[in-house]
Amino acid sequence: QVQLVQSGAEVKKPGASVKVSCKTSGYPFTSYYIHWVRQAPGQGLEWVGKVNSRDGGTNSAQNFQGRVTMTRDTSATTVYLELSSLRSDDTAVYFCARDGGSGSFFTPKNWGQGTLVTVSP
Amino acid sequence: QSALTQPPSVSGSPGQSVTISCTGTSSDIGTYNRVSWFQQPPGTAPKLMLYQVGDRPSGVPDRFSGSKSGNTASLTISGLQPEDEADYYCSSYTSSSTLVFGGGTKLSVL
Repeated sequence: QVQLVQSGAEVKKPGASVKVSCKTSGYPFTSYYIHWVRQAPGQGLEWVGKVNSRDGGTNSAQNFQGRVTMTRDTSATTVYLELSSLRSDDTAVYFCARDGGSGSFFTPKNWGQGTLVTVSP
Repeated sequence: QSALTQPPSVSGSPGQSVTISCTGTSSDIGTYNRVSWFQQPPGTAPKLMLYQVGDRPSGVPDRFSGSKSGNTASLTISGLQPEDEADYYCSSYTSSSTLVFGGGTKLSVL
């Protein structure tokens, strides 16, 4: 079955960077986009961006452009999100989600468990 | 890209029907049928309930249905059950090749 398993919680200081991983299994890795979505405490969902697992191409929300890097390692079937110049309002749970694919592009269908990133002095 | 607009909360009694609206613009919902709905109980990851406006993934009860008119999409839950109590989010593909979510709606089953 499709599984996405994310790395553990992180605590970072303002100005630092964080890298979150998302290990996938149970499907052909290069056939589906991976989305990144975050949720600040008590707040709603916010789309961060997506990576094309086949060619590594990325799209990101305007709010994150210049600060976010999304990459993938096809041999490890793992996708990474790196966020730099962290601020306190980047404190959130970061989710990865596999796209629905053909017939349902831009549909985050299968979700990881989430990774809490806390930014605190 | 501004978030899609959802009501902060809705409520209903068991057995009743409720509808949650999701309003966007001609740059997202108004042009594309790539509208999805997610259910998120507290402390859990979101779960896809509907995609392409009204299609249900395997395992989602047919009590959940979706529609769209103009710039507004809607999720209707019929025959409300206590386990339906959760936060619900809509999302849409946009003309900028991005995804935008709604602000979320808390459903209370009284």
